[in-house]
Amino acid sequence: GNSVTQMEGPVTLSEEAFLTINCTYTATGYPSLFWYVQYPGEGLQLLLKATKADDKGSNKGFEATYRKETTSFHLEKGSVQVSDSAVYFCALSREGGSYIPTFGRGTSLIVHP
Amino acid sequence: DAGITQSPRYKITETGRQVTLMCHQTWSHSYMFWYRQDLGHGLRLIYYSAAADITDKGEVPDGYVVSRSKTENFPLTLESATRSQTSVYFCASYRTSGDNTGELFFGEGSRLTVL
Repeated sequence: GNSVTQMEGPVTLSEEAFLTINCTYTATGYPSLFWYVQYPGEGLQLLLKATKADDKGSNKGFEATYRKETTSFHLEKGSVQVSDSAVYFCALSREGGSYIPTFGRGTSLIVHP
Repeated sequence: DAGITQSPRYKITETGRQVTLMCHQTWSHSYMFWYRQDLGHGLRLIYYSAAADITDKGEVPDGYVVSRSKTENFPLTLESATRSQTSVYFCASYRTSGDNTGELFFGEGSRLTVL
């Protein structure tokens, strides 16, 4: 079946540091890939997505590239801010059929001033 | 305001009591979901619904009941609450996009404590 594996957290960084959160997936066919972000006390919201191999999703300075050869969708940001402190979830959804997304366990990011 | 509204936001109950968590969307998204979020487990799917009167089990359905008589509402009922059901519950709806994918929209969550 489909699965998503994320790096364990928490990830603790100083402001302006470079961020990478690793995500790998197992899926049949050609899934779409997503990163969702959950700020403290809130529900999840979509951060970015990519729908086919080699696509790059980007938003708010975050980027992730759909790498089919390594089945990965790593999240990166060149310079993090304190306001980026949140939990980040990698997810995939199957092409066509039912829209049931599969989530990773989430990675907590803590950014210190 | 458009979006997903969950109620109550916070609930404390006792073991054995029935609890219903409400979820309302102001769009007409076909798919709706209930997740629970627990430390060490991330998000786990409890139930989902593809349309009114169509529901199906997710990963952890035991002890929960859902209904969907109207497209906009998707209540989740714990028929006899247990301490293991202490969690934060999220409702979500799914909006499809033109690129054969879509986006989940989440409510703010309902924090349930079972004593």
